[in-house]
Amino acid sequence: DGGITQSPKYLFRKEGQNVTLSCEQNLNHDAMYWYRQDPGQGLRLIYYSQIVNDFQKGDIAEGYSVSREKKESFPLTVTSAQKNPTAFYLCASTKDRGPSPLHFGNGTRLTVT
Amino acid sequence: DAKTTQPNSMESNEEEPVHLPCNHSTISGTDYIHWYRQLPSQGPEYVIHGLTSNVNNRMASLAIAEDRKSSTLILHRATLRDAAVYYCILRDSSGAGSYQLTFGKGTKLSVIP
Repeated sequence: DGGITQSPKYLFRKEGQNVTLSCEQNLNHDAMYWYRQDPGQGLRLIYYSQIVNDFQKGDIAEGYSVSREKKESFPLTVTSAQKNPTAFYLCASTKDRGPSPLHFGNGTRLTVT
Repeated sequence: DAKTTQPNSMESNEEEPVHLPCNHSTISGTDYIHWYRQLPSQGPEYVIHGLTSNVNNRMASLAIAEDRKSSTLILHRATLRDAAVYYCILRDSSGAGSYQLTFGKGTKLSVIP
């Protein structure tokens, strides 16, 4: 079955370490997204990519970096510059604009202590 | 980006219909209205979308106002499994439109047995 896979489901890191969250999709979607969600809050856009080798900052890109070397993959690195990295991270993809639905992964819960 | 406004929370009795409102007064002619729902600790899932006409699918119905400045997601018979956060977003279908997608805080629906 096609879908989006985020791994791992839970991730623990020490403060000051960079950590990379994986997002893979086999839906042949061009656009991919990373969102951050804090308890009781909505989704905030970190980065998005419309095509391979291209990506744009979202609303809260500071302290994060991404790459899009392959259509299927859009990894997110949470750097030590991110002041409050503990959160639930969601990856999504979509075929194109307008009517195409977004497909989400099941998220990675990152805890930094 | 055109924004949406939703009530923070709503309650419904089990087996009764639920009407979840969304205001989008700055919607453009090329914006599709999408609804997603999110269960605790999971990624959001697509529910329904529409442009101008009312839409029905196996999960819900979408009623769109004639001026398109508001819409209502209708769950015909609420079950306990419908308790979730519901998000209404706008997706631009024009060729010049951005792929950037912004989610608000959504409406938390509680279903009372």
